[in-house]
Amino acid sequence: DAGVTQSPTHLIKTRGQQVTLRCSPKSGHDTVSWYQQALGQGPQFIFQYYEEEERQRGNFPDRFSGHQFPNYSSELNVNALLLGDSALYLCASSPGFSSYEQYFGPGTRLTVT
Amino acid sequence: AQKVTQAQTEISVVEKEDVTLDCVYETRDTTYYLFWYKQPPSGELVFLIRRNSFDEQNEISGRYSWNFQKSTSSFNFTITASQVVDSAVYFCALKLPGGSYIPTFGRGTSLIVHP
Repeated sequence: DAGVTQSPTHLIKTRGQQVTLRCSPKSGHDTVSWYQQALGQGPQFIFQYYEEEERQRGNFPDRFSGHQFPNYSSELNVNALLLGDSALYLCASSPGFSSYEQYFGPGTRLTVT
Repeated sequence: AQKVTQAQTEISVVEKEDVTLDCVYETRDTTYYLFWYKQPPSGELVFLIRRNSFDEQNEISGRYSWNFQKSTSSFNFTITASQVVDSAVYFCALKLPGGSYIPTFGRGTSLIVHP
C-alpha cells in the first residue's frame, strides 16, 4: 500500500517564476492538505482540499493556489515566486474531511534564487 | 486561537541517556487533540502519538512515553535509553475536532543523539 507521494523531490526556481507541486494521497484517502515548512520552523498550514474544493485556508496570499482531481490527487501552484517561498512543501492526506489522522509525504524542497 | 510552544530548540545527548522533549499548548476549547511527530532528515513527518483532551492517561510505547497534564497544559515526550536513530526533529501539534479547524504545530525540537 503506497503512502503519500510527492513530486518533484527538489526544485530550483528563479524569483518571479511559477511552480507546480504534485501530491498523490495514500490509498483510500480523499482529503489533501498542504503545508509550508521554512527552515527551522514547524509546518504552516496552507490549505486543504476535499471533494475537489478548497475547504480551509491558512494565512497565505492568493499567489498560492491549488487543485484536487477526481482521483483525489492534488497540485499546489505558487505564482510570482519570492525568495521567502523557499521551503519544504509537505502534503498530507486524510481519510475524510473531519478526520484527525494525517499521513505526510516526504515533501518537495523548493529553492527560489 | 491555538498555540503550541516547544521551548527547546535543540537537545544534544549521548546514546543511552534519557531525554524529555517539552510541549506546552494553549487553547480555550475543552475538546482537542494533541500529536507528536518525528521528522528525520529525509523530511517526512512520521506520526508518533495522538491524545484527546479527555484522556489524561500517560502512554508508553517501547522506549517512548508521553506525559499529558491538562493542569499545566503540557504534553511532554520522553525517550528512554536514547539511540542514534532517534536523532530527528520532533514536533508537537494541536488540532480541534472537525474539518473546519487548522492544525497548529510547534517550532520543533531538534534532538541529536551522539554515539
